[in-house]
Amino acid sequence: AQSVTQPDIHITVSEGASLELRCNYSYGATPYLFWYVQSPGQGLQLLLKYFSGDTLVQGIKGFEAEFKRSQSSFNLRKPSVHWSDAAEYFCAYFGNEKLTFGTGTRLTIIP
Amino acid sequence: EPEVTQTPSHQVTQMGQEVILRCVPISNHLYFYWYRQILGQKVEFLVSFYNNEISEKSEIFDDQFSVERPDGSNFTLKIRSTKLEDSAMYFCASAPRWGYTFGSGTRLTVV
Repeated sequence: AQSVTQPDIHITVSEGASLELRCNYSYGATPYLFWYVQSPGQGLQLLLKYFSGDTLVQGIKGFEAEFKRSQSSFNLRKPSVHWSDAAEYFCAYFGNEKLTFGTGTRLTIIP
Repeated sequence: EPEVTQTPSHQVTQMGQEVILRCVPISNHLYFYWYRQILGQKVEFLVSFYNNEISEKSEIFDDQFSVERPDGSNFTLKIRSTKLEDSAMYFCASAPRWGYTFGSGTRLTVV
């Protein structure tokens, strides 16, 4: 069955440190992949998306993600996190006329 | 930047009552969606709407739910007889084809 998995439920990172959030997908064709961020009590903001082409995708707020077909992964990275990056991050793929979300990774930033 | 607008931001209703959640999608978008997120859980697809009809719906979207685009600008989700388990954040989204824009959500509390 098609699915997207975020293996890390909660990650804590020091401010200024690098970040990598993992996302693995299970989908037959080339997936359309997305990363969304949700601040507490807020809506979903699109960070970046991958459709095709260059496998390294740049997004907003200094985030990037790399599509690796061989590993079925689409991990989100940021070289230096800021306290304002504390939020819930969702990986998603588009297929069968809808977005399917992962369970999310909660990011906590410590000073 | 164009936005998807949802009203109200928070609605409290008694069990068994009908509620209508309203959304104003981005004006040139063609695809419209409703998703929901029960507190602490992942975002779940409810329904997609294209060309004035439902194109896809999930198991959650049973006979108690309906959607309408009554006037070419609004997109509504109706729950006919609310249950306690309908308490959730409901997100509307629209898209030209790919790359959804989500609204900030309506928090529905059923008491």
